[in-house]
Amino acid sequence: AQSVTQLGSHVSVSEGALVLLRCNYSSSVPPYLFWYVQYPNQGLQLLLKYTTGATLVKGINGFEAEFKKSETSFHLTKPSAHMSDAAEYFCAVSDRASGGSNYKLTFGKGTLLTVNP
Amino acid sequence: DGGITQSPKYLFRKEGQNVTLSCEQNLNHDAMYWYRQDPGQGLRLIYYSQIVNDFQKGDIAEGYSVSREKKESFPLTVTSAQKNPTAFYLCASSIDIEGILHFGNGTRLTVT
Repeated sequence: AQSVTQLGSHVSVSEGALVLLRCNYSSSVPPYLFWYVQYPNQGLQLLLKYTTGATLVKGINGFEAEFKKSETSFHLTKPSAHMSDAAEYFCAVSDRASGGSNYKLTFGKGTLLTVNP
Repeated sequence: DGGITQSPKYLFRKEGQNVTLSCEQNLNHDAMYWYRQDPGQGLRLIYYSQIVNDFQKGDIAEGYSVSREKKESFPLTVTSAQKNPTAFYLCASSIDIEGILHFGNGTRLTVT
């Protein structure tokens, strides 16, 4: 079974500073990996995904993540934080071993990002 | 616009009552999912359905029931057997075999 660990339940940065949100996964098969963002009292929106190919993945709002197989990591970064980035971020791994044409996602516990002016 | 509609946004019930949360999608997606979200716990899968008239238990199915009579609809019933039903419930759908989920805006259930 796959699992996801997000290091740090709360990260606080200053506006303009680097954002780094950490995610490590375990999976018995080559994983599909995702980052989602959630604003208060809303559902989740996809930021980016890794399936195969290039290990550096670019997403929306200037975010990117790098798949590192040797480290079983998929950390999310953004060079310069904006106030509008304040939200909760979830890393997820897809259960490709479940079969069928659609796959279940296992989510991490989330990291709340605070951006200070 | 295509999307997922969850209703109502807020729901209040007394302990011991069953309650049904609505989820409708017009994205023509085959798969639908129910997740429960608690502070600091992330999202936990309750039930999912990959096709009409078929559904599977997720990780925390006890005290919940679902039906999938139509492709567009996947209602979740929180029964009185669920010991701690107060939570934020999220419905999602997917057609992408890579596992991209499209989420509704959730229903916040409070049971007192």
